[in-house]
Amino acid sequence: DVQLLESGGGLVQSGASLRLSCVVSGFSFSTYPMSWVRQVPGKGLEWVSGISGSGSRTYYADSVKGRFTISRDNSKNTLYLQMNSLRVEDTATYYCAKDGNDYTNPNWFDSWGQGTLVTVSS
Amino acid sequence: SYELTQPPSVSVSPGQTASISCSGDNLDNKYACWYQQKPGQSPVLVIYQDNKRPSGIPERFSGSNSGNTATLTISGTQATDEGDYYCQTWDTVIPVVFGGGTKLTVL
Repeated sequence: DVQLLESGGGLVQSGASLRLSCVVSGFSFSTYPMSWVRQVPGKGLEWVSGISGSGSRTYYADSVKGRFTISRDNSKNTLYLQMNSLRVEDTATYYCAKDGNDYTNPNWFDSWGQGTLVTVSS
Repeated sequence: SYELTQPPSVSVSPGQTASISCSGDNLDNKYACWYQQKPGQSPVLVIYQDNKRPSGIPERFSGSNSGNTATLTISGTQATDEGDYYCQTWDTVIPVVFGGGTKLTVL
C-alpha cells in the first residue's frame, strides 16, 4: 500500500520559516516525481512545487518562487518543503502528492497524503 | 498564465448522468485529469490522461477532452459521488494547473 505522511505544520508568525516533511512507503520513491499541493480552508487546490525523482529538477508556482524550496532525500524516502518568509496568504493545508508517471516533470497525482495545516498569523 | 475554468456547482438526481466541464485554451493539446474530494478528506484521482480510470474507480466515471473543454461524466450518479471535483492539467511550461473546483450535489 502506498502511504504518504506529512508533518511539520503549525502556527507561525508572518515572516517566519517552517519545514514540512513527507515520509512515504509502498513504492519506489526515487522513481517518481513528487509535489506539494495546498488548499486554503474552504477553497480550491493550488499546486505549490514539484521535484523530479532524482531531485535534479525542481518546479515552483509563481506565488512561492524565491521563498519556498522543495527537496528530497531518496535514502530516507522523504520529501521536504522549506518555507521561508511566510505570509498570511500561505495559510493552508499542505498535501504531498505522488506523481502517477515516472517522467521528470509533474503530471498527475495518484496518491495523496492526509495533509498538514500551516497557519500564518499577522 | 494558463487557467482552467469549472462551473462552481452541478446538481444531479440519483441515477442520472452528471457532466462537469473544464475549459482552457486548446486544452485538448494537453492531458487532463480529475480528482474527487469529499469533506475532510484528501483528493482522490478518478480520471487521468483524459479518459483513463485508476484501479478501484467505478466504471461510471469517464472522461473526455476535445477542443477547449475536458468533461468528467458520471453515469448512474450515486449519493456517494457527492463532493468537490477538480480538473488539472500540466505541461513542461505551466507546469501544473488546477481548475477552481465544482461542487457536485446529488439531490
